[in-house]
Amino acid sequence: GAGVSQTPSNKVTEKGKYVELRCDPISGHTALYWYRQSLGQGPEFLIYFQGTGAADDSGLPNDRFFAVRPEGSVSTLKIQRTERGDSAVYLCASSPSGNELNTEAFFGQGTRLTVV
Amino acid sequence: AQSVTQPDIHITVSEGASLELRCNYSYGATPYLFWYVQSPGQGLQLLLKYFSGDTLVQGIKGFEAEFKRSQSSFNLRKPSVHWSDAAEYFCAVGDLSGGYQKVTFGTGTKLQVIP
Repeated sequence: GAGVSQTPSNKVTEKGKYVELRCDPISGHTALYWYRQSLGQGPEFLIYFQGTGAADDSGLPNDRFFAVRPEGSVSTLKIQRTERGDSAVYLCASSPSGNELNTEAFFGQGTRLTVV
Repeated sequence: AQSVTQPDIHITVSEGASLELRCNYSYGATPYLFWYVQSPGQGLQLLLKYFSGDTLVQGIKGFEAEFKRSQSSFNLRKPSVHWSDAAEYFCAVGDLSGGYQKVTFGTGTKLQVIP
């Protein structure tokens, strides 16, 4: 596709349920990032993939959060036993490579997760 | 650890007036700095970036930013604001110390443009 695509755009779930958020990066981009943006805050780093591997998952808040990128393209962020505090906009970004600063990261429109 | 401070949560300007959004950073080495814009329902879009060289950086949509090392600042400016500039603006600092581009964002400044 032309840009980074995230689905669904909105997700409402009940506390305690499991959710999956999907990110389709720009074709050919090896680097993929997940960020979380809470209300009134800037995006906060969650995890970085280079190809299929999670090179840095230090931003994941706890073990309820997990992300995969099995074929080096599409990524899924998985949240178990959701809590109301997980409500936020989850942003995905991709870039041609992750190890150069002079490459732009392109962001998707995000998935707004609401836990009720 | 790197960090970014945007002291203004909300700014209102009249259409046609000049704009300056403030950004201060904390970083141990030469910073790599960015400004992003986020319009309602849209993803983050890169306005401009500074890596090295000329401290006055030109970006898209008529924006510019000036890197001032002595003040640890990277303020965003536009000489004449248009109503379509109403959005939230994020300053960010990046580094490669972990072997990849890791970007830390500020909390954002919401810009309102009045007729």
